[in-house]
Parts: sequence; structure tokens; C-alpha cells
Amino acid sequence: DIQMTQSPSSLSASVGDRVTITCRASQSISSYLNWYQQKPGKAPKLLIYAASTLQSGVPSTFSGSGSGTDFTLSISSLQPEDFATYYCQQSYSTPRTFGQGTKVEIK
Amino acid sequence: EVQLEESGGGLVQPGGSLRLSCVGSGFTFTKYYISWVRQAPGKGLEWVGNINQDGSEKTYVDSVKGRFTISRDNAKNSLYLQMNSLRAEDTAVYYCARDVSSRVADVWGQGTTVTVSS
Repeated sequence: DIQMTQSPSSLSASVGDRVTITCRASQSISSYLNWYQQKPGKAPKLLIYAASTLQSGVPSTFSGSGSGTDFTLSISSLQPEDFATYYCQQSYSTPRTFGQGTKVEIK
Repeated sequence: EVQLEESGGGLVQPGGSLRLSCVGSGFTFTKYYISWVRQAPGKGLEWVGNINQDGSEKTYVDSVKGRFTISRDNAKNSLYLQMNSLRAEDTAVYYCARDVSSRVADVWGQGTTVTVSS
């Protein structure tokens, strides 16, 4: 199985800050990488797929990059509604493994 | 509106069985793979498995192989997860999700909670 490792596990940031989350795959997954946002008690929400394609309706403050084994999710200017947990997921092979999550908290 | 809605969760004893259901609406159900994803209390997301459009292909994570079975009834726009030989570690919120190109979960249900405890 492909292992996905996110860093950091948590971070504290202020409204307006730029935030970057990293996801590393244990082997090359080309660009088969998705990012999800989850708020407490809610289902995950798709933000980005194919490493860098923004899902319809997602603000342009979110962006994704990377290929192979190293990927990043960036939020250019953190908004109050962005405080949540973010997960990467590889869709290169099954099982479609997730990273352990990165919790973005208010500083 | 495109929607998925899970049901069937509850409290079950270790070794018991439970069947979850997921009903889709607002889209052509037969065009999509559907996945099950679970989340144990306070933990991250775990992909459980998926099924292709006509139900002929199913894939599972190793931890549920031989115990869980995914099926679908396209006439009812429904997906099922039959869970047997349940263990405490299967306790989780179970989500169904629509898969675009079998790779991207773009629509999720609200989840149903399964608790395995004596």
C-alpha cells in the first residue's frame, strides 16, 4: 500500500496568513493526489484533485502543486471559515490511502 | 441537488453484523463508482473500498477483506455495505462518496455511525 505522510500534523495561524501543508507519498503517484477539507461533525469536502485542479466552487485562495512524491496545499490568505482539518489522498492505486490530516487552528 | 444519504448505522456487539445503505439522488447513479470511507472517533479518514458502475468490480482495504461486502442496486440508486464479524476497531462514522473517474470523491453523504461494543 502507498503511505501518505502530511506535515505538519497541526498548525496555528492568523486570519490573512499564508499557510502551506505538505504531503509526501511513499512512492511516485504521478499527479493522482486529492485534497479534502473537513470541519468538525461534517463530511469531507473536495478542494483539489489531480494535484492542482481546483474543484468547482472552491475559493481561488486555495491552490495545489506537486507531482511524483511531493505535494503541497497552499492557502494564500487564511479566512475564518478555513479553520479545519485537511487531508491528502492518493488515487494512483487501491487502497486509496489518506494522509493523517493537518489541523489548522486559530492563533 | 446532487446528494448521497447513508443509513443503517447503530450499536452492534462484537462478532455481529450490520448492513449500511447509501441512496443517491440528483445524478445518474449508474455512471459512477461509489466508495465507502470511514472515520474512527477522533481519528483520520480511512478508505474502505469501492464498487464500479455495474457492480462487477469491488476493491477493499485489507483490514475488511473477507468481512465486508460492497454491493449496489442501480434500479434503486442504492449502495450497500454488508459488515460481518464486526470488531471494536470497526467503530466509526461511515461515509459513502461518489467517485469521478473512479479516483476523486466529489460528493459525500453526511455519514452514519457504527458502534461495535458489548
